[in-house]
Amino acid sequence: GQQLNQSPQSMFIQEGEDVSMNCTSSSIFNTWLWYKQDPGEGPVLLIALYKAGELTSNGRLTAQFGITRKDSFLNISASIPSDVGIYFCAGPNTGGFKTIFGAGTRLFVKA
Amino acid sequence: DGGITQSPKYLFRKEGQNVTLSCEQNLNHDAMYWYRQDPGQGLRLIYYSQIVNDFQKGDIAEGYSVSREKKESFPLTVTSAQKNPTAFYLCASSMTRGAKTIQYFGAGTRLSVL
Repeated sequence: GQQLNQSPQSMFIQEGEDVSMNCTSSSIFNTWLWYKQDPGEGPVLLIALYKAGELTSNGRLTAQFGITRKDSFLNISASIPSDVGIYFCAGPNTGGFKTIFGAGTRLFVKA
Repeated sequence: DGGITQSPKYLFRKEGQNVTLSCEQNLNHDAMYWYRQDPGQGLRLIYYSQIVNDFQKGDIAEGYSVSREKKESFPLTVTSAQKNPTAFYLCASSMTRGAKTIQYFGAGTRLSVL
């Protein structure tokens, strides 16, 4: 079945550093979604991407839809302590009623 | 405010007991979902429902049951057959417009076994 592979699994960074994470698949996705989950809360949508090559920003966050449609990247600039959490990539499965989620990248920020 | 409400936030289950987790949405979304999240893990799909009075098993449905009698509500029952129920449970809903499907999540219910 369709799977999403996220890397790295976890990151430990210093406040102010830039962060880059990615998501890859052996299957083509027509939509890429990036969510953030704060500890003890539900995931919140950060960015949605709908076109191959699309680059979209949301404040300090920038995400790109890979041109092969098999990958996506999320960058966070000038990290702050509240960036701590789990970042999930996701995309609808073939047929569209279910969403496939990656295993997440756990971000730890040291002040 | 529009959104997805899960209750309770924390729930405790005794041995052999069934417990029901509530999920209500006022987003007018057709589809609803239940996920289980274990510590340090991703999201695993338990059940999903595309329309009222219809639902399908996800990847880990054993020991769980659901109903979808109303569009707004999708309760999850954790039965006594679920031997390892301690986890964080997330409810989500979605609406599909053309090629765009986005799931939105509730704040979760943390279930523990006494």
